[in-house]
Amino acid sequence: DARVTQTPRDKVTEMGQEVTMRCQPILGHNTVFWYRQTMMQGLELLAYFRNRAPLDDSGMPKDRFSAEMPDATLATLKIQPSEPRDSAVYFCASGFEWEAFFGQGTRLTVV
Amino acid sequence: AQTVTQSQPEMSVQEAETVTLSCTYDTSESDYYLFWYKQPPSRQMILVIRQEAYKQQNATENRFSVNFQKAAKSFSLKISDSQLGDAAMYFCAYRRYRDDKIIFGKGTRLHILP
Repeated sequence: DARVTQTPRDKVTEMGQEVTMRCQPILGHNTVFWYRQTMMQGLELLAYFRNRAPLDDSGMPKDRFSAEMPDATLATLKIQPSEPRDSAVYFCASGFEWEAFFGQGTRLTVV
Repeated sequence: AQTVTQSQPEMSVQEAETVTLSCTYDTSESDYYLFWYKQPPSRQMILVIRQEAYKQQNATENRFSVNFQKAAKSFSLKISDSQLGDAAMYFCAYRRYRDDKIIFGKGTRLHILP
């Protein structure tokens, strides 16, 4: 049963620390998305890749966030330095044509 | 820019009854995709139903059906015979074309009353 795998599932970190979230997309999918979910803003698109090339990262705070796909089996989202306002659930999704499948998300808490 | 609006933050329905969740969107495109996703307390995002804009026929998936009004840019979800397991956050979403980014509405939290 193919699925998108995200790690870690939960992360608590102190303000100022670096946070790295990882995503293993479904094999064969050519698009990868990073979304952030908060109560106030809902689901916001942070970045997305097609065939590993970044297409849109306009929703991402550039000074502290970075998203990469070092290879077809791994996507990463880094926050450095982290701040309390970054506390949210971060979702990775992968897709092919019209379909998009979501991972379980990483709940990040920055204290 | 495309936007998706869900005007009902919360709704409640009695078990076994029918409920309709509303969604409107804004786009200048003529061909696109619309979706409803369900997010239960487990936080997993689950695709409920999709509609291609070029299709006039409304999509249905078992107890779930949509009312797609292209001219009005409206895309509502009807859940028939509501079950306790339908309690979740429901998100309406828009996608301009295949492989494009997905834009979500703010969601509607659905409560099922036993």
